[in-house]
Amino acid sequence: QKEVEQNSGPLSVPEGAIASLNCTYSDRGSQSFFWYRQYSGKSPELIMFIYSNGDKEDGRFTAQLNKASQYVSLLIRDSQPSDSATYLCAVHTTNFGNEKLTFGTGTRLTIIP
Amino acid sequence: NAGVTQTPKFRILKIGQSMTLQCAQDMNHNYMYWYRQDPGMGLKLIYYSVGAGITDKGEVPNGYNVSRSTTEDFPLRLELAAPSQTSVYFCASSYSPRGGRDTQYFGPGTRLTVL
Repeated sequence: QKEVEQNSGPLSVPEGAIASLNCTYSDRGSQSFFWYRQYSGKSPELIMFIYSNGDKEDGRFTAQLNKASQYVSLLIRDSQPSDSATYLCAVHTTNFGNEKLTFGTGTRLTIIP
Repeated sequence: NAGVTQTPKFRILKIGQSMTLQCAQDMNHNYMYWYRQDPGMGLKLIYYSVGAGITDKGEVPNGYNVSRSTTEDFPLRLELAAPSQTSVYFCASSYSPRGGRDTQYFGPGTRLTVL
């Protein structure tokens, strides 16, 4: 089982709709969860982070975390063509003092005008 | 602030050649990282550094070396380049421990092809 799993997509969503991106992780000790956006040919940039169970909202973005189910998601409301990118989920774990940040392979999102 | 800068942006190497990928940050971050990203894959950590003079291996260190003589610079050395090292290389930095409650800032990347 991969440490961090994402559906590679592509995920196509009409402009103005809600895009839902999902990520599961294998280590129950994981503590922090990050969503990065990466445009084609560019470097990743942080969109959101979440540490506690529940929802965290920032503008059109909402991150949702369920530690019992080992599941984290990103919702994008009122999707815009500029949201078309690959979204990387990253999970932070600390084991016996060793810190580790593991990235998923990313979900490619396309917003259809 | 320029943030994290990387040079070169593109490079083609022949098998067996060596080169150094440069990375610098001007944010006074203690932590710096080198990742590689293969097509359709996530980021894999090659090496990281928690401060000047201190480096450690990540998940995929074979074929690479690093040094950290200053807070600002973290070069990545490829010795005896192989086609398997064809990838996009990203340098990143953060103020606090990797993956902690702190964002990692990424450089623009170096696209390396080994033929």
